[in-house]
Formats: sequence, structure tokens, C-alpha cells
Amino acid sequence: QVQLKESGPGLVQPSQTLSLTCTVSGFSLTSYNVHWVRQPTGKGLEWMGVIWTGGSTDYNSALKSRLSISRDTSKSQVFLKMNSLQTEDIATYYCARESYYYSSYIYVGYFDFWGPGTMVTVSS
Amino acid sequence: DIQMTQSPTSLAASVGESVTITCLASEDIYGSLVWYQQKPGKSPQLLIYGATILEDGIPSRFSGSGSDTQYSLKINSLQPEDFASYYCQNGLSTPRTFGGGTKLELK
Repeated sequence: QVQLKESGPGLVQPSQTLSLTCTVSGFSLTSYNVHWVRQPTGKGLEWMGVIWTGGSTDYNSALKSRLSISRDTSKSQVFLKMNSLQTEDIATYYCARESYYYSSYIYVGYFDFWGPGTMVTVSS
Repeated sequence: DIQMTQSPTSLAASVGESVTITCLASEDIYGSLVWYQQKPGKSPQLLIYGATILEDGIPSRFSGSGSDTQYSLKINSLQPEDFASYYCQNGLSTPRTFGGGTKLELK
């Protein structure tokens, strides 16, 4: 069955780099896009970025200068790296699989499976 | 970038009531609108995609409607498990922006 799971350090020092891994099973990274979404405690969802089936990426413009998403298809893993972490980056980080279809040439995407999330704290 | 504005931000209702949550896109998203439900401490769960299509396993008391820039999620006959937060999302293009969320609470 389809599963995604985020992993990585729960604590990062200010100004350091966050490295997270999303390990997927039940589907291929060359067939489905994988997105990263984060959520500060008690707040809403923020889309961070995506790695497309072909391996290209798109990022939230507010994070683009600090964020990098990559993958290892042979290991079914997607990686998130974000540098210069500050307290505003404290959040639960999720990876999600996107399914999509075309309706009269209109792209209709939706996140049908999510990982359980991993909490990241920024503190010295 | 397409902005998504949800209303209300919070809503109190009783079991058995019906509620409607609205989502306004800053430009036409041609029906490419997604709704998620999130319970405390859990990941978001897909409810509706393509504005009106119910995900497998989601009860029929949930329904979505709308077109162009205006969309809504209706929940009929609220059940105790429906008290949660709800988010809309632009499914058309990147950035895949989410609405600010609606917290549905028990009155």
C-alpha cells in the first residue's frame, strides 16, 4: 500500500541547515509528484515545494533562496534541505504524494497520501 | 501567485446541523480546487478534489461545489468525528497555496 514517512533531526540550531528525508513505498517517484508542506503548531498549511516526476522542482518563492528538494529514485526517497533556519521555521513538516488528471485540458492535482509528519524545532 | 481565502476562520455547530465553508481564489482556477480535513495531531486527509469529486471512503454528507473563483464545502448532518479543521487548496498550478483554514468546533 502507499506510504510516505518523513525522517530527520527534530532539533536544529539557529542558522543551521535542516535535512529531511521522505521515504515512500507503494509507488514510484517517476510516476507521482511529491510535495513538501509545513505547518507551525496551531497554524495553517504552507506549501513549500515539489519534485516532479521528471526530477525538476518548483519552490515557494518565499523559501526559494533557502530550499532545495532532490530525490534518489532507486531508494524511493525525496530529500528536503533548507538552510539558515530560524525560529519562524519551527513546524511540522509533511511530504505528500500528488495524483492528478486533466479535465478539458485543465490540470487537477490533489494530495491523496500524506506522511505522518515530523516536528522540527529550532533552538540552541 | 493565486491566493486562497477561506471563510469563516472558525465555526461552531451542533451534531446534526449542516454547515458550509467557502473558499475564494484570487483568479479563476477552473474547478481545480481541493478540500482537506485535519484533526489535531494528524496529517491532512483528502476529502474532495476537482471541486466536486468525493475521495473514496469519504461519507456522502460531504459535498463540494463551485466554479471559477468561488467554491464551497458543505457538510450535512454533522457527526462528532467531523469537528476538525478544513483547508482548501489550489490544485491548478504552483504554488499550491492553501486557504487559511476553518476550525469547526462543537457548540
